[in-house]
Amino acid sequence: DAGVIQSPRHEVTEMGQEVTLRCKPISGHNSLFWYRQTMMRGLELLIYFNNNVPIDDSGMPEDRFSAKMPNASFSTLKIQPSEPRDSAVYFCASSFDILQETQYFGPGTRLLVL
Amino acid sequence: AQTVTQSQPEMSVQEAETVTLSCTYDTSESDYYLFWYKQPPSRQMILVIRQEAYKQQNATENRFSVNFQKAAKSFSLKISDSQLGDAAMYFCAYKGNTGGFKTIFGAGTRLFVKA
Repeated sequence: DAGVIQSPRHEVTEMGQEVTLRCKPISGHNSLFWYRQTMMRGLELLIYFNNNVPIDDSGMPEDRFSAKMPNASFSTLKIQPSEPRDSAVYFCASSFDILQETQYFGPGTRLLVL
Repeated sequence: AQTVTQSQPEMSVQEAETVTLSCTYDTSESDYYLFWYKQPPSRQMILVIRQEAYKQQNATENRFSVNFQKAAKSFSLKISDSQLGDAAMYFCAYKGNTGGFKTIFGAGTRLFVKA
């Protein structure tokens, strides 16, 4: 299996622009998680899905952030408009189901907003 | 709410020596899982080892082992025969069966390995 796939691996954009991060979970996994990692706040859970349905989005910082999972093999995290404080590494992770204890992480997307 | 605390921001170890990374957690649940993840400079999060709370036996994966003290809510990671490739950030994590099934991560411990 290819593991969790994220694209792009690096993104540099200017403040105010829309940013879309993409994730393909491991085939057969039904739960998907989006995390953000910064030096100041560590690893934060933003939102997670089970069977393509958002279960908890309480970690989403504000309305500028949105996430979708249109099917079992694809999810997006969108930031519109982006701000410099959104600069971070964004990870996607998947697990077999919501109860399954182990999450497998993608390589992350390093986002820099200028 | 559950919390995970890693009190050592940085640790260093000589190659081939043994090092122990500390982790404590707070929970009122009796059934949960604990993990150690490794994050090398590549930023990839790699699962190192996991422990089910209902198991008394400490988990072991090759050179990595844990000391799980349920009553003390302590979950330390021991790395034996340290190698240069072990240099990374290590995160302790907790996952319970309530609280929305979230995994809670500690702040991390950066491990340096000296040649």
